[in-house]
Amino acid sequence: EADIYQTPRYLVIGTGKKITLECSQTMGHDKMYWYQQDPGMELHLIHYSYGVNSTEKGDLSSESTVSRIRTEHFPLTLESARPSHTSQYLCASSEIQGFGYTFGSGTRLTVV
Amino acid sequence: GNSVTQMEGPVTLSEEAFLTINCTYTATGYPSLFWYVQYPGEGLQLLLKATKADDKGSNKGFEATYRKETTSFHLEKGSVQVSDSAVYFCALSSMDTGRRALTFGSGTRLQVQP
Repeated sequence: EADIYQTPRYLVIGTGKKITLECSQTMGHDKMYWYQQDPGMELHLIHYSYGVNSTEKGDLSSESTVSRIRTEHFPLTLESARPSHTSQYLCASSEIQGFGYTFGSGTRLTVV
Repeated sequence: GNSVTQMEGPVTLSEEAFLTINCTYTATGYPSLFWYVQYPGEGLQLLLKATKADDKGSNKGFEATYRKETTSFHLEKGSVQVSDSAVYFCALSSMDTGRRALTFGSGTRLQVQP
């Protein structure tokens, strides 16, 4: 079974802390994506990558950063968490750009 | 740019009722169309897809037909179950601002009561 893993599932953290949300996939997909999902359910693309050492900002401006050093790994980092970063973060991957996405289970982040 | 418009929810139905969730789109070229489902506390799962006009995608009793003339991809199910309660997202894949991207609608929450 093809899988994409996100850890942690839930995270509550204090303002100003640095955090990294992990995302790994076992499918060998070159394309990976980070979405932020607001409480109203809408999905916003915040970062994407089309391969190792390739990262781009998405449609929604985000203070987070990403890296892609290995094909299977696409972590997202917040250097200084704020309450406005409270959201659900979904990672996805695909073999073909913009088609056939597989999503992880998400990380629900709460910054207090 | 590309866009997807879904009917607002929540949609509340009794078990065994007929379901329709409307979806219309705006896109350049010839997009592929998708329905994703998100169960509580989970990520999105692909429910069905259609890659060209008049194609019908189907899965788990759900169906949607790619209607190019009306730019629509409505989701239907003949008899819903409590286990179908989830959020449903319509999406399209097409070229937008120089790259192929997946564009999502805002989601429709379905609540099925026993």
